[in-house]
Amino acid sequence: DIQMTQSPSSLSASVGDRVTITCRASQSIRNYLNWYQQKPGKAPKLLIYAASSLQGGVPSRFSGSGSGTDFTLTISSLQPEDFATYHCQQTYSTPLYTFGQGTKLEIK
Amino acid sequence: EVQLVQSGAEVKKPGESLKISCQGSGYSFTSHWIGWVRQMPGKGLEWMGIIYPGDPDTRYSPSFQGQVTISADKSISTAYLQWSSLKASDTAMYYCAILPSGNADYWGQGTLVTVSS
Repeated sequence: DIQMTQSPSSLSASVGDRVTITCRASQSIRNYLNWYQQKPGKAPKLLIYAASSLQGGVPSRFSGSGSGTDFTLTISSLQPEDFATYHCQQTYSTPLYTFGQGTKLEIK
Repeated sequence: EVQLVQSGAEVKKPGESLKISCQGSGYSFTSHWIGWVRQMPGKGLEWMGIIYPGDPDTRYSPSFQGQVTISADKSISTAYLQWSSLKASDTAMYYCAILPSGNADYWGQGTLVTVSS
C-alpha cells in the first residue's frame, strides 16, 4: 500500500507568516492528493483536492502544488483561524486511501 | 443535502463487543463507497476500511484486517463498524466518510469509543 509522509509533524508560526507543509508519497500518485484541515473535536474539512484545486469557500491564501510523489500546502498569510492540524491523503489507490501523519500548526 | 449521522459515544470494558453506525441520507447510499477512519487521541487519521453497499464489496487496510468488521444495511442506508473483543488500544474517535471523489467531502460527526476497565 502507498505510504504518505508529512513534514514537519508540528510547526509554530505567527499571524501573517507564510507557511509550507510537505507531503511525500512512497510511489507516484500523479495528482491524486487531498489536503484537509482539522480543528479539535471536529471532522476534517477538505481544503485542496487533485493536488492544487481549491475547494469552494476556502480562502485563496491556501494553495496546493505538486505531482508524482512530492506535494506542498502553502498558507500565504496565516490568520488566527488557520491554527489547526493539516492532513494529506492520497486518492490514487482506490478505494483504500491513506493519510499522512498530520501537521499541527500552532501559534508562536 | 448529503448527511452522515453517526451513533453516540460509547464506554466499554476490554473484551466486550461493540457495533457503531453511520446513517446516510440525501444521496444514493448503494452507489458510493463509504469508509471508516480512526483517530487515536492526539494522533493522525487512519483509513480503516471501506464498503460499497450496493454489492457489498468490502476492503480493509492491512493494519485493520481481522481486527474489525465493516458491514452495511442498504434497507436503512446504514453502515456499521464492529468489534468482537475490544482492547484499550481501540480507544479513539471513529469517523465515517463517503469515499472522496473530486471535491466531494462528506463526513460523519464522529463517534468516540472509550475502552477502559
